[in-house]
Amino acid sequence: NAGVTQTPKFQVLKTGQSMTLQCAQDMNHNSMYWYRQDPGMGLRLIYYSASEGTTDKGEVPNGYNVSRLNKREFSLRLESAAPSQTSVYFCASSEDPGGRSYNEQFFGPGTRLTVL
Amino acid sequence: DQQVKQNSPSLSVQEGRISILNCDYTNSMFDYFLWYKKYPAEGPTFLISISSIKDKNEDGRFTVFLNKSAKHLSLHIVPSQPGDSAVYFCAASSQTGANNLFFGTGTRLTVIP
Repeated sequence: NAGVTQTPKFQVLKTGQSMTLQCAQDMNHNSMYWYRQDPGMGLRLIYYSASEGTTDKGEVPNGYNVSRLNKREFSLRLESAAPSQTSVYFCASSEDPGGRSYNEQFFGPGTRLTVL
Repeated sequence: DQQVKQNSPSLSVQEGRISILNCDYTNSMFDYFLWYKKYPAEGPTFLISISSIKDKNEDGRFTVFLNKSAKHLSLHIVPSQPGDSAVYFCAASSQTGANNLFFGTGTRLTVIP
């Protein structure tokens, strides 16, 4: 039982390049989330998927797209990377939507992305 | 605008003493508060939570206190252990906000043996 896995762990991009961050969970959770963590800013929600087939914008969605490929997988795409997107990206999942402890969000180990 | 604030970026405490981590929030609609712990190169893990209908929740060495009138919560760890050294994030959610989590900026706790 791996929990939440993310690939890649590290990535360096040049401005304008595109890439997709992959996330998968094996806990049969309905809801999945993408966050970014920046120094002095805490974690901020980019997009979330309350259930398979649905996606919604979070606090900082500009410059990103997401795909809920199936119940297990939720990918985050940067179409044209910018230096402002340099950050650590975390994927999370929970049994149902919401931020309650009984719907605890389980986090992956993160992807450290640098955009030059 | 940061809706959840942790004004102390770091805290050092001797092993065996009490660690007190503080968190303030501005959105009066928040009705559920959580603390997450994060080790380097790992994702955050859930530690303890409290509903706005309570003012205290305890789980072993960890206690969270909520003061709604002051929009303030704190996490007490007693006794502190070296393995508690990590970054602690406060987070808040509201039913009207789709229950999405809003995180503070984190406090790095160092427990000195």
